[in-house]
Amino acid sequence: DTAVSQTPKYLVTQMGNDKSIKCEQNLGHDTMYWYKQDSKKFLKIMFSYNNKELIINETVPNRFSPKSPDKAHLNLHINSLELGDSAVYFCASSPRGAEKLFFGSGTQLSVL
Amino acid sequence: QQPVQSPQAVILREGEDAVINCSSSKALYSVHWYRQKHGEAPIFLMILLKGGEQKGHDKISASFNEKKQQSSLYLTASQLSYSGTYFCGTEGGKLTFGKGITLSVRP
Repeated sequence: DTAVSQTPKYLVTQMGNDKSIKCEQNLGHDTMYWYKQDSKKFLKIMFSYNNKELIINETVPNRFSPKSPDKAHLNLHINSLELGDSAVYFCASSPRGAEKLFFGSGTQLSVL
Repeated sequence: QQPVQSPQAVILREGEDAVINCSSSKALYSVHWYRQKHGEAPIFLMILLKGGEQKGHDKISASFNEKKQQSSLYLTASQLSYSGTYFCGTEGGKLTFGKGITLSVRP
């Protein structure tokens, strides 16, 4: 059983489109995250949810909207995709904040 | 604020030792270390908490000096499997990662 699973693994799309990435964890963790890793491997936090509540919202364009229907799921919807959105997006979870992160396998987003 | 990692890259022969450093301009409550292999997700190595403790994971250990706001990761008798990018993360309400250091172990 995969602990943190995200889909799709690859996402290729045109500029201006809207897309979603889904994430699910079966570890019973309270906290979930979205991280963005750019081409230089810089791993930057975007959002954090604790038990469905948004607790961290970094300076991310409001074209990015996370949604947590329950504490096991955290989805990321991106509107009006731009070339600069191309990156690997990682979902992660932890039992509580500041503890060991378990990462999903990542979604490689390519905007053409 | 993002921690600073050094050196920028490390190239080793199998069996050699290496030290990777992580420093912050802010007070640290804890330091996390992760390793990421190419095309894979980052994998947790260890967390160090306040107290200057040293932790170990196989032949990889780390120290944390909260007064100096620094942590170091020690790789002893490196193996080919140690190759990857090493990230330190510092916690101050959220986990902020450094830019990572690419470590390559060659036969």
